[in-house]
Amino acid sequence: LAKTTQPISMDSYEGQEVNITCSHNNIATNDYITWYQQFPSQGPRFIIQGYKTKVTNEVASLFIPADRKSSTLSLPRVSLSDTAVYYCLVGDIKAAGNKLTFGGGTRVLVKP
Amino acid sequence: SQTIHQWPATLVQPVGSPLSLECTVEGTSNPNLYWYRQAAGRGLQLLFYSVGIGQISSEVPQNLSASRPQDRQFILSSKKLLLSDSGFYLCAWSKGMNTEAFFGQGTRLTVV
Repeated sequence: LAKTTQPISMDSYEGQEVNITCSHNNIATNDYITWYQQFPSQGPRFIIQGYKTKVTNEVASLFIPADRKSSTLSLPRVSLSDTAVYYCLVGDIKAAGNKLTFGGGTRVLVKP
Repeated sequence: SQTIHQWPATLVQPVGSPLSLECTVEGTSNPNLYWYRQAAGRGLQLLFYSVGIGQISSEVPQNLSASRPQDRQFILSSKKLLLSDSGFYLCAWSKGMNTEAFFGQGTRLTVV
């Protein structure tokens, strides 16, 4: 999987939009970008995946510029329950021999 | 639909005792299977992964081992637990499509 860099932590307040940027300069042509959310004492949960431009679902939006060397996860109008660790993964599991590794993630704290 | 079962949810074991954690997946065939460990406040550490029955790749040998006796069953074991084995153990599966994976609810192991 491609090396990724994302902030260690971010603080926000209820009702605000949270944007987490992940850098992945060595992204390969066939690589997808995937984001996971992990609440305390739970396993990570897949929340969104994209290849280029913009993807939106009921949880978040994912913005990917044309060069694909970074991506931004956008959480609209966060609530206290959005406090979690968010992981960015980039790559193709098959190309990596089916080895799936996670980086340190971004710890998001939503305050009242 | 696919589901993953992991048990037990919590476990307290004395130092030197054996360990066996089991994970099973339903609703899919030939999944990639993973064991991770997460220390308090830390990231996910990949311990073992498997692409098929009897095929185990080890990332952190130490005193842990893994086995895959059946296509959808993955077992994490230890003959003698150490205090440092305490942590949150997570099982996951994927189908090798990009970086999308699904996690179990985890086992919190405390070695005393």
